[in-house]
Amino acid sequence: EVQLVQSGAEVKKPGESLKISCKGFGYSSVSYWIGWVRQMPGKGLEWMGIIYPGDSETRYSPSFQGQVTISADKSITTAYLQWSSLKASDTAMYYCATYSSSSGFFDYWGQGTLVTVSS
Amino acid sequence: DIQMTQSPSSLSASVGDRVTITCRASQSISSYLNWYQQKPGKAPKLLIYTTSSLQSGVPSRFSGSGSGTDFTLTISSLQPEDFATYYCQQCYSTPHSFGQGTKLEIK
Repeated sequence: EVQLVQSGAEVKKPGESLKISCKGFGYSSVSYWIGWVRQMPGKGLEWMGIIYPGDSETRYSPSFQGQVTISADKSITTAYLQWSSLKASDTAMYYCATYSSSSGFFDYWGQGTLVTVSS
Repeated sequence: DIQMTQSPSSLSASVGDRVTITCRASQSISSYLNWYQQKPGKAPKLLIYTTSSLQSGVPSRFSGSGSGTDFTLTISSLQPEDFATYYCQQCYSTPHSFGQGTKLEIK
């Protein structure tokens, strides 16, 4: 069974850096693209970007390009979402999910990582 | 970017009702449209992909239709577990944008 397990909740101050993770189980790391979705408090879903761990090909939403870095380590079936300088507006739940490149949907989802940025 | 607009934003209905949620794209997306269900505090769940294909394990009371710019999600007979927020998503071109969501509440 495919499972995605995300790292735990984080509380950070503005300006700090952060890297959260998403580890996959039950599949080969080159079988799926992995995507990241943001959900700000009380708001809807936002497509951030996707990565193919096999060769690290990455596609970003223009809204998130330059604001975050998506990376992956195929040897440990893990994807990452990284910020170099957090802002209060980065406070949100972040979900990773497997992405079907043929049909464009997210089918298996992680449990979410809550990131809180506050001074 | 393609903009996705859902209507209504919220909806009150009763168990047993037939409910339809619509999703409109700002340009043609062929049949590249997915639907998700999200319950409070949980990750979204894929219900329907490519307009009308039911994801494995999803009850048959859920169905999807449409093409081009206009799409619908229909729940034929609402069950208590269906009260949730529903999102459409286009996967025609990146970024694969979502609609703003439709919150389905108990009347």
